[in-house]
Amino acid sequence: DTAVSQTPKYLVTQMGNDKSIKCEQNLGHDTMYWYKQDSKKFLKIMFSYNNKELIINETVPNRFSPKSPDKAHLNLHINSLELGDSAVYFCASSARDLGPPKLFFGSGTQLSVL
Amino acid sequence: AQSVTQLGSHVSVSEGALVLLRCNYSSSVPPYLFWYVQYPNQGLQLLLKYTTGATLVKGINGFEAEFKKSETSFHLTKPSAHMSDAAEYFCAVSGGGGFQKLVFGTGTRLLVSP
Repeated sequence: DTAVSQTPKYLVTQMGNDKSIKCEQNLGHDTMYWYKQDSKKFLKIMFSYNNKELIINETVPNRFSPKSPDKAHLNLHINSLELGDSAVYFCASSARDLGPPKLFFGSGTQLSVL
Repeated sequence: AQSVTQLGSHVSVSEGALVLLRCNYSSSVPPYLFWYVQYPNQGLQLLLKYTTGATLVKGINGFEAEFKKSETSFHLTKPSAHMSDAAEYFCAVSGGGGFQKLVFGTGTRLLVSP
């Protein structure tokens, strides 16, 4: 019954590799996000999709490519991993309405690049 | 543009004591303000939010926050801390309406001692 689920929970990999993180939500939301949380716990938005369309794209290296096959899924693919990519990546979703977005977060994917 | 400053990366209280976590914001438009809580190895959960209207907002688990426009503050309080309140707390701001991204503060870790 997990609302927003991410896989894998932990990802340990070597520099230069390519990896993907998957995210799925069963809340019927039409907007999904990727956030990056660094070692100092600072959370910064990376991307947001609404109905499979990219609506927010922060200054993120183009090695990061989000893919939304449908509005319930938003995957994150990372090419040529670097040490600085080590962080916790959170997927989130929200419903589109006139008020402020209430985000529902997944439990995070801890990425360690060696 | 919006930004959030959380004063104090760590706050320690005794069980039963008052909890006060400070948040100041900057926004060029009327802000929406949020407090999220993150328990270890979990995603963020919404505690409470301010949109418009009543400036004292009540949230879950006995927490409340007061929007003070003159002070650009949105401090989080709880009259009596429980051990289960130990977590990381994030203040966030958005500009309101549409596809607005949340801008998070750097978080405050609340430590509760017996």
